[in-house]
Amino acid sequence: GAVVSQHPSWVICKSGTSVKIECRSLDFQATTMFWYRQFPKQSLMLMATSNEGSKATYEQGVEKDKFLINHASLTLSTLTVTSAHPEDSSFYICSATRGQITKETQYFGPGTRLLVL
Amino acid sequence: SQQGEEDPQALSIQEGENATMNCSYKTSINNLQWYRQNSGRGLVHLILIRSNEREKHSGRLRVTLDTSKKSSSLLITASRAADTASYFCATQGSARQLTFGSGTQLTVLP
Repeated sequence: GAVVSQHPSWVICKSGTSVKIECRSLDFQATTMFWYRQFPKQSLMLMATSNEGSKATYEQGVEKDKFLINHASLTLSTLTVTSAHPEDSSFYICSATRGQITKETQYFGPGTRLLVL
Repeated sequence: SQQGEEDPQALSIQEGENATMNCSYKTSINNLQWYRQNSGRGLVHLILIRSNEREKHSGRLRVTLDTSKKSSSLLITASRAADTASYFCATQGSARQLTFGSGTQLTVLP
């Protein structure tokens, strides 16, 4: 159990367009979801923490108006990259935790590769 | 901000040899976790070691934690070509957020 999916797995878009990435917990209710960004040959950097029904908490340096996060249900969080530019090209990965007891474990999605032309 | 560093950045070994990766971090932690990432893919959780533990084993994996030195090591014994991947340590404090290290790219040659 504890499967997290992401959609789409990859996307190519033109500069200036907006892109929405979905993160779903398939077989559990995710109390908290996290969004990470990973540039080539680099580590994962946390962008924001998303709790169902409340506003996301963004890490320092991450523009909340550019990276819109919506966590409308316990199984779905979305990240929208607004007015994407080539420098936003990256690998975006979400993760989810379930419940309070098992908060140590994050279940990661397979990632979404974004290429902005 | 990135929590810590891993070394080596890259490691190349022959199949059957052992691989050791090290991780250092900067702040106090509740636990430290190791993940594997195959090229262009998501992360796979390998093992978690809590701050009150010093060593943990899982199959061919052995993890140590030295909180006084703020460091951890991951040992993969009898490596296989399928172990080729990037390995990341990640620390977790009182909040749920994970802070990842810089990663080690392991290549196991057949």
